[in-house]
Order: sequence, then C-alpha cells, then structure tokens
Amino acid sequence: GENVEQHPSTLSVQEGDSAVIKCTYSDSASNYFPWYKQELGKGPQLIIDIRSNVGEKKDQRIAVTLNKTAKHFSLHITETQPEDSAVYFCAASISGGTSYGKLTFGQGTILTVHP
Amino acid sequence: NAGVMQNPRHLVRRRGQEARLRCSPVKGHSHVYWYRQLPEEGLKFMVYLQKENIIDESGMPKERFSAEFPKEGPSILRIQQVVRGDSAAYFCASSPRLDIRTEQFFGPGTRLTVL
Repeated sequence: GENVEQHPSTLSVQEGDSAVIKCTYSDSASNYFPWYKQELGKGPQLIIDIRSNVGEKKDQRIAVTLNKTAKHFSLHITETQPEDSAVYFCAASISGGTSYGKLTFGQGTILTVHP
Repeated sequence: NAGVMQNPRHLVRRRGQEARLRCSPVKGHSHVYWYRQLPEEGLKFMVYLQKENIIDESGMPKERFSAEFPKEGPSILRIQQVVRGDSAAYFCASSPRLDIRTEQFFGPGTRLTVL
C-alpha cells in the first residue's frame, strides 16, 4: 500500500520568514495530494491540494509543488504569520475510477511561527 | 451550510465498555471515511462507507470494531469492549463523489479516552 513520509517533524520560524514542508510517497498510482492544517483540538482543514497533472499550484501565501518522477511534493508558506502555527499534514490518494480516494497521511509537521 | 458534524466531542469509557461515535456528513454527501489519530501521530484510514454499504474496511481492526452508514441517520463507528489502546481521536470525513475532485471534508473529531 501507499506510504507517505513527511519532514521535518517540527519547524520553527520567525514571523515573515518562509516555511517549507516536504513529503515523499511510494505508490506511483497516487494522483491526488492534499495538505491539511490542524489546529489544537480541531479536525484537519484542507488548505491546498494538487493533482498529478499539475506541477505547481499557488493560493496567496501558500504554494504546493509536485515532482511525479521523484515522487515528492512540498508545501511552501511565505510571509508566515503567528496564526499559521499549527500541525500540517500531507496526504496522498488515488482518486477517480474504481479507487476509493482513501487518504494516506504523513506523520505531520508542527509549525511554530514566532512573532 | 453545516459541515461534517461529530458527536460526542469527548467520550470517556472504562475498559470493557462500548463506545459509539456518530458522524453526520455534509448534506448531500454520500461517501464517508473514518480515520483514527493516535497521540502525536498522523491520521490512519479505518473504513470507507457509502449509504448502507461498507466499501473498504481494510484499515479497521478485525475484532471489536464495526461501522455502518444507514439509509437514514448518521454514520456510526462502534467499538466494543474498549481497551486503553483505543484511546485516540476519531475523525470522520465526507465527500460528495469519487471522481478526480475527491476533496474530503473533516469533522471536529471525537476524542475517546479509555480509563
């Protein structure tokens, strides 16, 4: 089955700096890669996603890149703010056709943005 | 425009008791996923259901755990004879369909504590 590795496990940055979180996946059939933000005591919230027919996607301060050949994808947050502090999870799945879209998650990155 | 609802938010059980976790998906969503998050770990897939059908339960322990998604009412995750190792956060997610756009919307979770 799919295996997703996520690094780093913790990341501490100063407000205004950039943050980068990286994930690798094992199943070349995976074609959907969402990123979730989880705040303390809450459920994961989708912040951005990318599909395998796209190499990069950007939404304001957040961007995700995908390298299908190397089977890795990354989350980039620019101009970080204290409210970006949370746990971030990457995930991979095979969506469409007879697949069920179940998500395989990375282990999570605790991001702390210091004012 | 209610999102995914889960109840209870917190549940305390003694070893050997039963735990029932409820999930009401986004209105109109017919696909429900359950995930478990152990302390300081990522989310792990447990089971995927459509209305009245269990489609994929490959992530669910063979004993003591069961899930259902009846034609009317919420999806239920049931854990019989709970043990301390069942203590975790259980998240439900729903999705409108299984095509290339397979975004899953997560609920706030139920935090189960087994004494």
